[in-house]
Amino acid sequence: EIVMTQSPGTLSLSPGERATLSCRASQSVSSGSLAWYQQRPGQAPSLLIYGASSRATGIPDRFSGSGSGTDFTLTISRLEPEDFAVYYCQQYSSSPLTFGQGTRLEIK
Amino acid sequence: EVQLLESGGGLVQPGGSLRLSCAASGFTFSDYGMYWVRQAPGKGLEWVSGIRGSGAVTYYVDSVKGRFTVSRDNSKNTLYLQMNSLRADDTAVYYCAKARLSKAVPGHKCSDYWGRGTLVTVSS
Repeated sequence: EIVMTQSPGTLSLSPGERATLSCRASQSVSSGSLAWYQQRPGQAPSLLIYGASSRATGIPDRFSGSGSGTDFTLTISRLEPEDFAVYYCQQYSSSPLTFGQGTRLEIK
Repeated sequence: EVQLLESGGGLVQPGGSLRLSCAASGFTFSDYGMYWVRQAPGKGLEWVSGIRGSGAVTYYVDSVKGRFTVSRDNSKNTLYLQMNSLRADDTAVYYCAKARLSKAVPGHKCSDYWGRGTLVTVSS
């Protein structure tokens, strides 16, 4: 099983600032099979990034993903109020398709 | 418009059983793998199970192997999760989710659509 570890656990920033979220895999994630999801309180997760760096349909370009192998990053260039939520990475290279424990992005 | 609607959750005693359903619409159901993902109260996401579009191949996380069974009825556009020998740590909101790419693309997929979830509570 590939273990996904996200850091930091909580990130406190202000609107307009840049957010950098990290995700590390315990072994290489092949073919960039890494996704990022956003989950707002009381809602289901929604797909932001797939293939490590491709934005899902309708996702604004302030969200970007990068990385390969075992180290991946989600960057939000300028935080909007609606971006404050919990973010999860997921590897879908091999079963079980594991998630990181999440990064909570909160308003400072 | 893709829609996924879970049902079947509720309160069950430890050792009991429950069957969850996920009614799908807005896409060719049989062309896509489907997944179950759960979230314990106040916790993160845990991938539970997956099934290919044909239903011929299934996948499970170790903690539910031998207790949970995923299946699908492509004639009814419905995904199921049969949960037996339920334990307190199975308490969670259970989401069904659709694979982003069709079965024409080999390999596992991430999920582009999710249902709203159904709450399963295992308690005496």
